[in-house]
Amino acid sequence: DADVTQTPRNRITKTGKRIMLECSQTKGHDRMYWYRQDPGLGLRLIYYSFDVKDINKGEISDGYSVSRQAQAKFSLSLESAIPNQTALYFCATSDEGTSGGTTDTQYFGPGTRLTVL
Amino acid sequence: AQSVTQLGSHVSVSEGALVLLRCNYSSSVPPYLFWYVQYPNQGLQLLLKYTSAATLVKGINGFEAEFKKSETSFHLTKPSAHMSDAAEYFCALSGNTPLVFGKGTRLSVIA
Repeated sequence: DADVTQTPRNRITKTGKRIMLECSQTKGHDRMYWYRQDPGLGLRLIYYSFDVKDINKGEISDGYSVSRQAQAKFSLSLESAIPNQTALYFCATSDEGTSGGTTDTQYFGPGTRLTVL
Repeated sequence: AQSVTQLGSHVSVSEGALVLLRCNYSSSVPPYLFWYVQYPNQGLQLLLKYTSAATLVKGINGFEAEFKKSETSFHLTKPSAHMSDAAEYFCALSGNTPLVFGKGTRLSVIA
């Protein structure tokens, strides 16, 4: 079984609809992240969470919100989807590591391909 | 500010030839550097990482990278390309912030 799972894997929706993407992990990590990938732009950080009570905005948080329901679950919501949110979305996890910093390996889910018409 | 620049959005090599993917970084703190690979329709998988120990880092599938502080570089190499190496490769940097990714380099391997 995969350590980091994302649901759904593919979603097509219409402009203005509310969408939730879900991420679950069995790695026991405290830290979780949401990225979006666009061709030619690499991965950009949307939100991240270092524990259940901690939520932080990333580089491109506008138009998105998140919920950390438990250590193992981190959801990304698009309150009112728009076409330029069409992208591949990845969830990732990491351990705190020995330094307590941000230097530890991230483990990625398989991605959710979202299309907003 | 921290940033990563990958030189070349697309690199094409012949099977058996040297693979060289270039990554330069900018960081205000000692960096940790990573290379990830993304195969078609899959998530990202860690190839290798530099964590301030040895400057030459060996990873999976025969890849290695050398950290050169004077050149602010962390280029990825493999002596002999295989068809299965065709994928997109991302260089990433962390230090006092979560990972910052380069824009990626797509590697094509020609038979």
